[in-house]
Amino acid sequence: DVKVTQSSRYLVKRTGEKVFLECVQDMDHENMFWYRQDPGLGLRLIYFSYDVKMKEKGDIPEGYSVSREKKERFSLILESASTNQTSMYLCASSSRRSSYEQYFGPGTRLTVT
Amino acid sequence: EDQVTQSPEALRLQEGESSSLNCSYTVSGLRGLFWYRQDPGKGPEFLFTLYSAGEEKEKERLKATLTKKESFLHITAPKPEDSATYLCAVRGPTSGTYKYIFGTGTRLKVLA
Repeated sequence: DVKVTQSSRYLVKRTGEKVFLECVQDMDHENMFWYRQDPGLGLRLIYFSYDVKMKEKGDIPEGYSVSREKKERFSLILESASTNQTSMYLCASSSRRSSYEQYFGPGTRLTVT
Repeated sequence: EDQVTQSPEALRLQEGESSSLNCSYTVSGLRGLFWYRQDPGKGPEFLFTLYSAGEEKEKERLKATLTKKESFLHITAPKPEDSATYLCAVRGPTSGTYKYIFGTGTRLKVLA
């Protein structure tokens, strides 16, 4: 059973803080993704990674960075949190071996005040 | 531009009242259409993948079908526990190997 875990379910940070969101998957998937989900806007891709140390920008990368030092772990970094980054953040993984079906973590509800 | 549109935005059904959710897409060279279920405050849960027109997949009270322009998620005799948001996503060559285009979902409420 694929398992994707995220470091926090709820997080409250202040404007300007550096924020780390961590995601771990246990299925040896080569692809990992970070999305944010906002009402009426659906899921929007922030960054993805198709291999260790490889990363590519998604549709809304501004204000974010990522790190993938190990295959199972993909971190999202908010360099200087702003109120417009208040959102639900979802991590996902997929593999060519499982027909690119995406498996999601439980999400992190981030509030920036 | 690849696009996914889901309708209706919201749907209320009585328990046992069957219905269908629609996912219309514009993708050249579909490489997979995916259905997910999302409960409030949780991550999406994978349901089905469809690849070619005419394909059907079933799971309990859910059946997904695919044509060249749209997919339907049929819910037969729904129960209150089927209440959730259902998301549709596609992969296509112009969106890239790793990217998925998501619709905004259909919020389903099944009343007892």
